[in-house]
Amino acid sequence: GQQLNQSPQSMFIQEGEDVSMNCTSSSIFNTWLWYKQDPGEGPVLLIALYKAGELTSNGRLTAQFGITRKDSFLNISASIPSDVGIYFCAGQDHNNNDMRFGAGTRLTVKP
Amino acid sequence: DSGVTQTPKHLITATGQRVTLRCSPRSGDLSVYWYQQSLDQGLQFLIQYYNGEERAKGNILERFSAQQFPDLHSELNLSSLELGDSALYFCASSAGQPNSPLHFGNGTRLTVT
Repeated sequence: GQQLNQSPQSMFIQEGEDVSMNCTSSSIFNTWLWYKQDPGEGPVLLIALYKAGELTSNGRLTAQFGITRKDSFLNISASIPSDVGIYFCAGQDHNNNDMRFGAGTRLTVKP
Repeated sequence: DSGVTQTPKHLITATGQRVTLRCSPRSGDLSVYWYQQSLDQGLQFLIQYYNGEERAKGNILERFSAQQFPDLHSELNLSSLELGDSALYFCASSAGQPNSPLHFGNGTRLTVT
């Protein structure tokens, strides 16, 4: 099945700094999604990307669907303490229907 | 609130036992997905149902089974439980169409002792 490689595995940053994380796939996806998971809760959808090259923002978050359709990145600008959590990328290949997730990026923001 | 309801929130049971986890999807969603998340790990896809029928299968053990009922709620059955089955089990739902994002419940935390 498709493999999703998400990096970095963890990040420790100072409040106010910008953050960047990315995902690469061994095969083409038609949809890329980014989720955030807070402790003890389910992942919450942040941004959905549906077209190669698409760049979408949600507040301080910006994500892009790579031109090759095999990668995506998520940027968080001016981080704040409540950005702490685990960020997951997910990709969907319509031929398989299922949604595959990266291993997650654990973000820690120091005040 | 995602609109996806999972019960129970916590479950503690012994090895060798059998448990059933329940999921009610968001209103209008036809597709249900089950994922397993072990401690500090990513989300492992188990199985997907669409309108009552199995649509995709991931790394689901033979000891595990699932089904989606006519009212679209789903149950995940875990049998002959082992210590390694301790994990968070998430249900997600979507409209089931291409490009439909998944919306997750808050999970069931299973502890096998």
